[in-house]
Amino acid sequence: ILNVEQSPQSLHVQEGDSTNFTCSFPSSNFYALHWYRWETAKSPEALFVMTLNGDEKKKGRISATLNTKEGYSYLYIKGSQPEDSATYLCATPSGGSNYKLTFGKGTLLTVNP
Amino acid sequence: GAVVSQHPSWVICKSGTSVKIECRSLDFQATTMFWYRQFPKQSLMLMATSNEGSKATYEQGVEKDKFLINHASLTLSTLTVTSAHPEDSSFYICSARAIETGGHYEQYFGPGTRLTVT
Repeated sequence: ILNVEQSPQSLHVQEGDSTNFTCSFPSSNFYALHWYRWETAKSPEALFVMTLNGDEKKKGRISATLNTKEGYSYLYIKGSQPEDSATYLCATPSGGSNYKLTFGKGTLLTVNP
Repeated sequence: GAVVSQHPSWVICKSGTSVKIECRSLDFQATTMFWYRQFPKQSLMLMATSNEGSKATYEQGVEKDKFLINHASLTLSTLTVTSAHPEDSSFYICSARAIETGGHYEQYFGPGTRLTVT
């Protein structure tokens, strides 16, 4: 069973602030790291999938980095907006043909206007 | 992007009854779908892997006779909670797997079903 940890569990920021949070995962037998954004009452939305050490991906104001050697990924949001309020999940697959994902508990971000 | 629907979004049932939840991939075919369960303040926990045309694979500790999974077509998987009890009250969410450009897999999620058993 993989251990995926996310921190912090929740945070509140003001509109316009930049913020970041962490996902830790086992560095051994690493295959990929997924980030999802989950708004209340909606489906989790895939943000990024990262595979290579040193990867950096960007989607608008959101970016993510990956360190597979030490087993962590950071998600950054620049100039947070109220619509960024959501739970951000990370997950890593156990490998094999089924590609089963193990999720962290998520970071709940609230952006106050 | 790929869309997955899930129905119903919430359901209340009495103890002892069965409830069926449907998961559909609307714009792509999915040979593999997954069913997750989430308890408050916990992570999504994989219950089972649903493969089209074959039996589902259940995770350790998940009763296959209690949580019946059927994946009869490339766009539909169903989860039936049989003889539901209050402890089955939870949030159930499905995902459908797709192969993305570059060869890696991505999972597209439904919006989930809140089940309350009274």
